[in-house]
Amino acid sequence: GESVGLHLPTLSVQEGDNSIINCAYSNSASDYFIWYKQESGKGPQFIIDIRSNMDKRQGQRVTVLLNKTVKHLSLQIAATQPGDSAVYFCAENSPFSGGYNKLIFGAGTRLAVHP
Amino acid sequence: EAQVTQNPRYLITVTGKKLTVTCSQNMNHEYMSWYRQDPGLGLRQIYYSMNVEVTDKGDVPEGYKVSRKEKRNFPLILESPSPNQTSLYFCASSSSGTGSVPGFFGQGTRLTVV
Repeated sequence: GESVGLHLPTLSVQEGDNSIINCAYSNSASDYFIWYKQESGKGPQFIIDIRSNMDKRQGQRVTVLLNKTVKHLSLQIAATQPGDSAVYFCAENSPFSGGYNKLIFGAGTRLAVHP
Repeated sequence: EAQVTQNPRYLITVTGKKLTVTCSQNMNHEYMSWYRQDPGLGLRQIYYSMNVEVTDKGDVPEGYKVSRKEKRNFPLILESPSPNQTSLYFCASSSSGTGSVPGFFGQGTRLTVV
């Protein structure tokens, strides 16, 4: 996955700080959102999800916030560690005509954690 | 260990030479899918399968084929690869409970077509 990150925005943080990664989604009818983490040379890894009837969900050291008014999603990572360095991207589950859903992925943000 | 296994991890081939990328999962998942990932773009779905013998096109199916003869395997076939299919490919699987949302991804196959 190294070349995938070449054109991505980068967030640089100090180890121990909190990180906030943002994502704007496209469809106001999307009902489910997911954050994935992709480390260099690996496949994406599911981190946390949230349904549209919620505005906040917490996991272990991670929190996802959903603002449906402005179609914005954020991932907060508490006490960022070097192992958190990766590309993070969001996905929205978007209803389409015909009764099926389509998962739309964002391009991602690279998180770089410095000691 | 629950996993999705893709092979090969890296492949360089020439235009027009048929190739197959294998994908296998050991979680008895019904839903499997293939994505390609290109610089600056999000993951784009190529094909998906909701169960054995049930496959359908995703967003970018042109130039690809798939088959789902058994639950655990979902190979991706490029009958006549072209340079625009140079990309990083991921196979993913999920249980019927989560449907089209991929829960597990393989490690990826980096394909270069020259």
